[in-house]
Amino acid sequence: SQQGEEDPQALSIQEGENATMNCSYKTSINNLQWYRQNSGRGLVHLILIRSNEREKHSGRLRVTLDTSKKSSSLLITASRAADTASYFCATDVQEAAGNKLTFGGGTRVLVKP
Amino acid sequence: DAGVIQSPRHEVTEMGQEVTLRCKPISGHDYLFWYRQTMMRGLELLIYFNNNVPIDDSGMPEDRFSAKMPNASFSTLKIQPSEPRDSAVYFCASSYTSWGTEAFFGQGTRLTVV
Repeated sequence: SQQGEEDPQALSIQEGENATMNCSYKTSINNLQWYRQNSGRGLVHLILIRSNEREKHSGRLRVTLDTSKKSSSLLITASRAADTASYFCATDVQEAAGNKLTFGGGTRVLVKP
Repeated sequence: DAGVIQSPRHEVTEMGQEVTLRCKPISGHDYLFWYRQTMMRGLELLIYFNNNVPIDDSGMPEDRFSAKMPNASFSTLKIQPSEPRDSAVYFCASSYTSWGTEAFFGQGTRLTVV
């Protein structure tokens, strides 16, 4: 079963606008990660936020984490056509013998030039 | 390093046949994950290994699926017998043991069972 659920499922914006997507999860986590997937390709890591962090920036990306609400958001500022892709959140959960990494359903983002 | 390498990139097989998917993780990585991606179910974790040992296989759909990791540089996912509903893209990913590290994905194997 999926640990994370993303919202919205799809998003269409104009180039230059900001894109915001949200992720909710169910259990306690070590960290939460965001990945990007271009059509027909593997996933690429974007940013990781630890459970004791509330906000993190990387270039045009801003991630927030609210562990009390078990939710995270990814903001892409000043979007470009090249940002068109699917974005996934992933939760890193400590198990007895290892760290389990499970993904949400993803948000498909279309940036129109 | 060339990254995570999966083979084949595409596989078309007939129902009932055995299918073997292969993965070479990044050298030095201790974790290896197998995922399946479909439109209906999204990205599902099938099984993951830590230091070549299977840790959690609760995502493996049924006994027709099996995975092995005989050494640190090679893993296989086998489906026997294959069924049309197994058609999907299968991804392998690897990461370091240390807490809070990113996973590196292969390009995936697109499996079509006819």
